[in-house]
Amino acid sequence: DAKTTQPPSMDCAEGRAANLPCNHSTISGNEYVYWYRQIHSQGPQYIIHGLKNNETNEMASLIITEDRKSSTLILPHATLRDTAVYYCIVRVYPNNNDMRFGAGTRLTVKP
Amino acid sequence: DAGVTQSPTHLIKTRGQQVTLRCSPKSGHDTVSWYQQALGQGPQFIFQYYEEEERQRGNFPDRFSGHQFPNYSSELNVNALLLGDSALYLCASSLGGAAVRVEVAFFGQGTRLTVV
Repeated sequence: DAKTTQPPSMDCAEGRAANLPCNHSTISGNEYVYWYRQIHSQGPQYIIHGLKNNETNEMASLIITEDRKSSTLILPHATLRDTAVYYCIVRVYPNNNDMRFGAGTRLTVKP
Repeated sequence: DAGVTQSPTHLIKTRGQQVTLRCSPKSGHDTVSWYQQALGQGPQFIFQYYEEEERQRGNFPDRFSGHQFPNYSSELNVNALLLGDSALYLCASSLGGAAVRVEVAFFGQGTRLTVV
């Protein structure tokens, strides 16, 4: 699976959009991009995933660049409850069944 | 619809002892994966069970073993506990099989194991 690079930490003002970048320059054509988040001491929570098209659900939007070497997770109106560590993961299924979590980005939403 | 449930939530064991952690997958899921998360780090894949067999394994010693039951629930066993085994152990369930194109895994809240 391709390796991902994320900034270690980011701040965002409450009510503003949070844009979390992820670099995956070695991604291959059959690898999906997944985003999870982990609120302190809880299990990771699935947010969204995509292959090459932009995706949106009730939690967030995922923007994948045309060359697929990077992506951005967008939380449109961040709240204090969105403070968490956000993980960007790329993986092939079903060839690799494990998800390789890096250190993630610690997002702090401030009032 | 119950999500992924793990038991116990917290556990304290002594070095050298053995421990068994349990996981019930989300309704409709047939695949269970186990992860270890040390303090301040991301989760690390231990192994995955599908159709009651270990399908893939991460870089963990044989002291870590598992089992999946016919009802898809799973156990993680760790023998000869070391201080370094202290961590949050996470179970994730998903729908496996060749017919599934994209897998989304859902995690439980974890079991916090402390080895003293």
